[in-house]
Amino acid sequence: DAGVIQSPRHEVTEMGQEVTLRCKPISGHDYLFWYRQTMMRGLELLIYFNNNVPIDDSGMPEDRFSAKMPNASFSTLKIQPSEPRDSAVYFCASSTKGGGTEAFFGQGTRLTVV
Amino acid sequence: DQQVKQNSPSLSVQEGRISILNCDYTNSMFDYFLWYKKYPAEGPTFLISISSIKDKNEDGRFTVFLNKSAKHLSLHIVPSQPGDSAVYFCAASAWNNNDMRFGAGTRLTVKP
Repeated sequence: DAGVIQSPRHEVTEMGQEVTLRCKPISGHDYLFWYRQTMMRGLELLIYFNNNVPIDDSGMPEDRFSAKMPNASFSTLKIQPSEPRDSAVYFCASSTKGGGTEAFFGQGTRLTVV
Repeated sequence: DQQVKQNSPSLSVQEGRISILNCDYTNSMFDYFLWYKKYPAEGPTFLISISSIKDKNEDGRFTVFLNKSAKHLSLHIVPSQPGDSAVYFCAASAWNNNDMRFGAGTRLTVKP
């Protein structure tokens, strides 16, 4: 398996534009997580899915953020409209179960909003 | 609410010496703890884990210690090597909650 695949690796956009980040989890993994890495808080959990169903989105910072998982092999994280403070590295991770095992991370998407 | 805390943003050690990275947590429901290693421009990779039924887990040069009463865990790297230079994240999960919470990370620098 190629591991968790995220695209794009880098994204530069202007404030107010819509941004869509994509993730392909490892085949057979039932859990998918979206994290945001910041200097102050490290890896913040934004939302996670179990069997394509969103379970906990309490970490999503604002209504401007939304995430979907239309099938077991694809998820998106959308920011609309984007703001400069959204600039960060966004990671997607997947695991066979939520707790009690390790999650496998993608390489991340570095988002810059100017 | 930061449930997992790594209070040292950075640590520098000499090659061959021991590196000790610390992590504290506040949620007593956490029962599984992990350490991840992250190189620049890469995603975090799993390093070692420990269940709450144990107080120590060893894997080669890496050992994780868990002190449940103090809600504290630590990662020991002996001997430290320059290739160990990376950011180390502590993470925790609970049996009744399927998410995984991370600390802010500690940047380890091992000097030759």
